[in-house]
Amino acid sequence: DAGVIQSPRHEVTEMGQEVTLRCKPISGHDYLFWYRQTMMRGLELLIYFNNNVPIDDSGMPEDRFSAKMPNASFSTLKIQPSEPRDSAVYFCASSFGASSYEQYFGPGTRLTVT
Amino acid sequence: EDKVVQSPLSLVVHEGDTVTLNCSYEVTNFRSLLWYKQEKKAPTFLFMLTSSGIEKKSGRLSSILDKKELFSILNITATQTGDSAVYLCAVGPSGGGADGLTFGKGTHLIIQP
Repeated sequence: DAGVIQSPRHEVTEMGQEVTLRCKPISGHDYLFWYRQTMMRGLELLIYFNNNVPIDDSGMPEDRFSAKMPNASFSTLKIQPSEPRDSAVYFCASSFGASSYEQYFGPGTRLTVT
Repeated sequence: EDKVVQSPLSLVVHEGDTVTLNCSYEVTNFRSLLWYKQEKKAPTFLFMLTSSGIEKKSGRLSSILDKKELFSILNITATQTGDSAVYLCAVGPSGGGADGLTFGKGTHLIIQP
């Protein structure tokens, strides 16, 4: 299995622009998680899906952030409009089964907003 | 609010030393504690602990959970330079959902040759 796939790996954009991050979970996994990692705040859970349905989005910082999972093999995290404080590494992770917390992380997208 | 505190925040030791990393937590509805290793990329899974007092072991790494005192330790014996990484502790569930994880800030471990 190729593991969790994220794209792009690096994104540099200007403040105010829309940013879309993409994730393909491991085939067969029914949970998908979006995290953000910064030096100041560490690794934070933004939102997670179970069987393509958003379960908890309490970690999404603002209305500028939105996430979708149209099918079992694809999810997006969108920031519109982007701001410099959104600069971070965004990880997608997937896992199987409600009782398992062994989450497999993708390589991350390093976002820089200037 | 759920909280995970790791100590020390950073640690520098020499190759061959033994290190102990600490993780304490406050979670409303504890189910499991996980350890991850993060080098210059994504976190990779090490251990998941759900029961007190049962040691999990993988090579030179071992971990144990104390659910009464709400902490876990990760031991690394005979350290090697390849052990240099950030070690993350996570506890779940967290937040409003059934499966989210709360991560600590991590311990940055540096092994000097």
